[in-house]
Amino acid sequence: GAGVSQSPSNKVTEKGKDVELRCDPISGHTALYWYRQSLGQGLEFLIYFQGNSAPDKSGLPSDRFSAERTGGSVSTLTIQRTQQEDSAVYLCASSLEENTEAFFGQGTRLTVV
Amino acid sequence: AQSVTQLGSHVSVSEGALVLLRCNYSSSVPPYLFWYVQYPNQGLQLLLKYTSAATLVKGINGFEAEFKKSETSFHLTKPSAHMSDAAEYFCAVRMGLGNDMRFGAGTRLTVKP
Repeated sequence: GAGVSQSPSNKVTEKGKDVELRCDPISGHTALYWYRQSLGQGLEFLIYFQGNSAPDKSGLPSDRFSAERTGGSVSTLTIQRTQQEDSAVYLCASSLEENTEAFFGQGTRLTVV
Repeated sequence: AQSVTQLGSHVSVSEGALVLLRCNYSSSVPPYLFWYVQYPNQGLQLLLKYTSAATLVKGINGFEAEFKKSETSFHLTKPSAHMSDAAEYFCAVRMGLGNDMRFGAGTRLTVKP
């Protein structure tokens, strides 16, 4: 597609429920990133996929968080047993392997009530 | 390890005044450095990037940044602020291709009439 697409754009969920956030990167981009942006905070790195290499999961805040990338394209970030502190905007970005900058989606605003 | 520090979470300038947003990084190898901007209710977009070519990098909307290795800095400047520059600005570092991108906490720029 023309840009990075994220869905849903907004998600309200009850505490304790599981949620799935989807990211469609730019076609041909081999690198994919997930970040979390809380109100008034910077971008917190969550996970990074690069081609067929093992993902860098060092930023995932707990084992309730997981992500996968199928076929080197679409990625899904899953949060199990959501907590109120999980409320944030979740941003996805992608980049070409041989390029340096990342292109961002519009984000998914997650609200846990 | 790589990290980014942005000095000043909020900067306020008058319209027409100089804009200076500070960014310092730590990286064990020559880094790729970026400035991103996030306008209200919009996604992140790239302002400019440093990729080991010229140390003075010009970006969009009249912004520029200078890479100073001795000071491990990559400060963002604009000679004359415009009301439309009001936004959140993020500095980011990437420690080589194949590595993830880490962001600073962001600086919110306010432009007063």
